[in-house]
Formats: sequence, structure tokens, C-alpha cells
Amino acid sequence: GIQVEQSPPDLILQEGANSTLRCNFSDSVNNLQWFHQNPWGQLINLFYIPSGTKQNGRLSATTVATERYSLLYISSSQTTDSGVYFCAATNDYKLSFGAGTTVTVRA
Amino acid sequence: DAGITQSPRHKVTETGTPVTLRCHQTENHRYMYWYRQDPGHGLRLIHYSYGVKDTDKGEVSDGYSVSRSKTEDFLLTLESATSSQTSVYFCAISRRTGEPQETQYFGPGTRLLVL
Repeated sequence: GIQVEQSPPDLILQEGANSTLRCNFSDSVNNLQWFHQNPWGQLINLFYIPSGTKQNGRLSATTVATERYSLLYISSSQTTDSGVYFCAATNDYKLSFGAGTTVTVRA
Repeated sequence: DAGITQSPRHKVTETGTPVTLRCHQTENHRYMYWYRQDPGHGLRLIHYSYGVKDTDKGEVSDGYSVSRSKTEDFLLTLESATSSQTSVYFCAISRRTGEPQETQYFGPGTRLLVL
């Protein structure tokens, strides 16, 4: 399967700061998704983005498929943004997940 | 939100006993998945289903079996639970849009402790 690497593994932010999370993948993909796992364990889909750019409120994501990476941008971070962000990718039905980036936003 | 429930939400069992986890969806979606989440590993696919009675193995399928006799239910069975199967188990579904590559939506998870 596809190998997915995320960086950085941990990120501490002051409320209001901006940040960028990176996801590198080892092969061409037809499916790439970003998820947020909140402190209570719930996994929420943020973006389905095998290529291009999408925005949803303070979050946006860009995937450059030809260079095999995706970026998740968090702007004006809030304490509710804390949690683990996962990138997952596949070129068939089987998503491969990265190990995640743990984001802590301090008030 | 996708209508996905998992039961039980928490379970403690002993080594060697069989355990069955249930995933139930109300969305009539074709694709269903079982993952396990362990520290440092993200989520790893155990088994998935692409229709009633149609299932296939994922990355970490040893020691697990699945069944899907109805569209809405996907069961995961640990045939003889071991301590290495202590984990959080997530079910997911994919909405049908005419393409196989689709957004996945996750259930709330089941915490399993094998003593």
C-alpha cells in the first residue's frame, strides 16, 4: 500500500496563530483525505482532496498530486482546533493513514 | 452526519474468548470498513466490505473475521482475543456517488481491553 508520512508529529500553537501541516505520500493517489480527531476520540472528515485546493472556514487544504504532497492550513487557531490531524491516501479502496500530527492550541 | 453506530462502546474481555463488535449504518451505503487505532500507528485497515456478503482483507486482518449479511450491519469478530488486540476499533462507511474513491465517515469507536 501507499506510505503516508506526516510532519511535524507535534505542534503547539498560541491561540490566533497560523500553521501548516504536511502530508507526503509514496505513490500516485486517487483519494486523499484529511481528518481531525478531537480530544474525545471522534474522527471528523475535513477534506476530500486528491488534487487542487479547498477551503472550509479557517481551514484550507492543497494537494499537489504530481509532487506527492498535501498541506493543511489552519488560520487563526482556536482551542477547539486541538486534537490529532490525520492524512490518509489510497489509489484503490484501502486508505493508508499517516501517524498524525498532534496539535495543541493554548489560550 | 452519517448515521453510524458501534456497539458495544467499551468492552473488557479475557484472553482466548471470542468477541464480536457491531457496526450499524442507516445510510444504505455500499462500502463499510473496520480499522484499529493504536498509538504511533494511526489507523490501520482490518477488513472492508463492498456489498452484502462481499468482503476483503486489509492490512492487519490476522485474527479477525467479518460478516455482512445485511447492508446496514458489518460485524467484526475476534475469534480468540489476545492482548495484542487491545485497541480502539473504528467502523467507517463510504457514500455512493458513482465513484469508488469517496469520502469516508467514521463511527464513534469501540474501546476493547483484552486482559
